[in-house]
Amino acid sequence: KAGVTQTPRYLIKTRGQQVTLSCSPISGHRSVSWYQQTPGQGLQFLFEYFSETQRNKGNFPGRFSGRQFSNSRSEMNVSTLELGDSALYLCASSWGGRTVGDTQYFGPGTRLTVL
Amino acid sequence: GNSVTQMEGPVTLSEEAFLTINCTYTATGYPSLFWYVQYPGEGLQLLLKATKADDKGSNKGFEATYRKETTSFHLEKGSVQVSDSAVYFCALSDPFRNTGNQFYFGTGTSLTVIP
Repeated sequence: KAGVTQTPRYLIKTRGQQVTLSCSPISGHRSVSWYQQTPGQGLQFLFEYFSETQRNKGNFPGRFSGRQFSNSRSEMNVSTLELGDSALYLCASSWGGRTVGDTQYFGPGTRLTVL
Repeated sequence: GNSVTQMEGPVTLSEEAFLTINCTYTATGYPSLFWYVQYPGEGLQLLLKATKADDKGSNKGFEATYRKETTSFHLEKGSVQVSDSAVYFCALSDPFRNTGNQFYFGTGTSLTVIP
């Protein structure tokens, strides 16, 4: 079974630009979560989508947004990029139902550098 | 609310030494507990999990026991190898009490094993 895939793997943008990252979950998984990972702040939760609806949201500004499509693929968008948005963005998928031990499986991440 | 506290790193050990990484949690319900490992330049990989009190998760020589009385899930390995050098994350989920499948991660503990 194919794992979680994220594209692109690397991105370089300049301040003020916007960026869209893509995540394809494991087949059959309906929940996709996004995280930002930086050396200073560690792993921070951005949002979770389930069946095309945002179910949970972390404490990030409105510049960070996402969506999920009917095939469970998800995208996240960051507008008006700032230097501090440079990070590894991780996507994780899970079945998403109310199941004990439902596990999140992570993709390799997208490394975003903002110049 | 839910939270996870991990021991601060970095941890440096000699090959074949015994490893313990402490993890304690706060949760209102009966969460599932996880350990993830992240190798340089990669996403997080599930290492092991436990879904109820006194369960022991194990994988690749690593073990962790779900201790409800001490709200802990400490990671142990009897004899570490250089290839175990990575960052280790403790996490919990409680899909029955939360809206959705949000995971709560600790700050991560960096382990370096020297030959």
